[in-house]
Amino acid sequence: KNQVEQSPQSLIILEGKNCTLQCNYTVSPFSNLRWYKQDTGRGPVSLTIMTFSENTKSNGRYTATLDADTKQSSLHITASQLSDSASYICVVRAISGGYNKLIFGAGTRLAVHP
Amino acid sequence: ETGVTQTPRHLVMGMTNKKSLKCEQHLGHNAMYWYKQSAKKPLELMFVYSLEERVENNSVPSRFSPECPNSSHLFLHLHTLQPEDSALYLCASSQEGTVDYGYTFGSGTRLTVV
Repeated sequence: KNQVEQSPQSLIILEGKNCTLQCNYTVSPFSNLRWYKQDTGRGPVSLTIMTFSENTKSNGRYTATLDADTKQSSLHITASQLSDSASYICVVRAISGGYNKLIFGAGTRLAVHP
Repeated sequence: ETGVTQTPRHLVMGMTNKKSLKCEQHLGHNAMYWYKQSAKKPLELMFVYSLEERVENNSVPSRFSPECPNSSHLFLHLHTLQPEDSALYLCASSQEGTVDYGYTFGSGTRLTVV
């Protein structure tokens, strides 16, 4: 069964600190993996997309890594800011599965405190 | 704004009411989606419209009725809902046919059934 598991479920850090969010998936065959940021009361917004052959991709202070062999991805946030407080959702796209090909994780809720 | 607009942002309705959620996309995409997001759960795909035809209906109860009058507009008609239907309802759009399309989400409608 295609699944995406994220950890931790929630995280609190102090402003300026770094953090790493984890995503493990069992989706196969795999097409790509996206990390989304969802602010409270908003829809998810794509941060990064990675395909099978990519190991690292950065978007400002966000750096995503992918290990396709172990089926793990991480999202590293550097020098956190209060505006980073949000839910971060890992989404894996399967190659097959019709319109159910997007498999969503439940998200990690990050709170950045001053 | 992401290019996908949802109204209303918040809705409180009784179990005997009839209401409709509206979604409009300004991106020229050819596919639109309704997702349900409950607390601490992954997004659940409800309906998919591709080129204005419903192509996916994920065993959603008949008290939810979608309508897609054209490629830019999507509605979700609600009637005799249950309290467990309270959730954030997200609309998304995408351009089918490209190798690596992404989904653009609206800000959602926060629905509370009392």
